[in-house]
Parts: sequence; structure tokens; C-alpha cells
Amino acid sequence: DGGITQSPKYLFRKEGQNVTLSCEQNLNHDAMYWYRQDPGQGLRLIYYSQIVNDFQKGDIAEGYSVSREKKESFPLTVTSAQKNPTAFYLCASSIGLKGLAGGRVTGELFFGEGSRLTVL
Amino acid sequence: DQQVKQNSPSLSVQEGRISILNCDYTNSMFDYFLWYKKYPAEGPTFLISISSIKDKNEDGRFTVFLNKSAKHLSLHIVPSQPGDSAVYFCAASVTGNTPLVFGKGTRLSVIA
Repeated sequence: DGGITQSPKYLFRKEGQNVTLSCEQNLNHDAMYWYRQDPGQGLRLIYYSQIVNDFQKGDIAEGYSVSREKKESFPLTVTSAQKNPTAFYLCASSIGLKGLAGGRVTGELFFGEGSRLTVL
Repeated sequence: DQQVKQNSPSLSVQEGRISILNCDYTNSMFDYFLWYKKYPAEGPTFLISISSIKDKNEDGRFTVFLNKSAKHLSLHIVPSQPGDSAVYFCAASVTGNTPLVFGKGTRLSVIA
């Protein structure tokens, strides 16, 4: 089955440690995204990538880093510089720039199951 | 500055009745709107969408209405079922390729 896989589902980290969240997709999508969800805050964009070897900052990129070396993978590193890292992290993908042949690129995102990070 | 606003954090509806979830936006350049449904500890799933060239889109029990002049859209669920209980996010984009901007969500509780 095609989809997006995030791991780990739950992660605990001590203050001052970096941690990397994995995101893999087999949908052949060009674009991938990382969102963060906090209670009452909705989904806020951290980073996104429209194509391999390229990525852009979202609204709350400070304290995070990403890489896009392969089309299928878009790992997110939560660094010790992130002041409030405890949150639910969501990875998503979309068709991206190419879109459907002859059709409109709808921008619809497909989400993974999420990773909950807790800093102790 | 919040570009997509869902002003009702929660909504309770009786089973079988209509649920109406509202969403307002400020960016007049938005031309595509989506609704997502999210259960706890899971990723959101796409529900229904509408482009700015339409004012209504239906899919089974779900209908989305778009009022461009008021910069307002709404999601109607008829009839509401207990399994509809979830958080619903409104999202919008300027073009098909820009990241979606999400509202803060509305928690719907359908009471049997």
C-alpha cells in the first residue's frame, strides 16, 4: 500500500539533545512537508521541500533542520535550540510541481500518522 | 497574523442533526480550500475541497460552501453520526503548489 510512514511514533528526549524524526513516502510525490501540532494551535508549518536537494523554511523553522537527499525521505531534526520541542509532529506529502497530467495541482496533502516528542 | 480562522474551538451536535463548521480567511489570493478530519494521535485525513471558481461542492453527507465576497466557507455534515466526532481543520492555499495554511481546528462532538 502506498503511504507515508513516520517513525518513531513516540519519542522521549532529554533537554539539550538533538533528535531526528523519520518520514518516508512511497507515493512518488515530489513535495514533502513537516507540520507541528500543539493544543489550540492547529497545524503550523516547519519546513517544506518541493524537490530533491531543495527545501524552504515555514513559519516556525527556528530550532529545526531538514534534509532532502532522496525523493522518498524527508527527515526532521529537532535541535537543542528549539525552546519548546514537546509536540505532535506531522509529515505530509503532495504531488507537487508536476501535478497530474493535464490537470490542476490541487495541493492536497497526505499525512503520516505523526510522531509525539516529549522532552523530559 | 492568522490567515485562516476557525473561531469556534468546539461544537456539540445531536446524532442525526446537521453539523455546521465555519471558517474565515483574510488572504483574498487563496483559491483552493480543503477540510481535513483528525482523530487523536493520528494524522489528518482529507475530507472535501472546493476551488474558488465554485461556491458549493458535495460528497455524500459532506457539503462545503464558499462565499468569496465574505471570505467565508462552511462545512455541512448531514446527518451527523457519532463517528464524525473529531477535530476538523480548514485549510487554504494561494496556488496548488504552495503549502496549505491551516486554521486552529474545531472539535466536533456528535452525541448519540
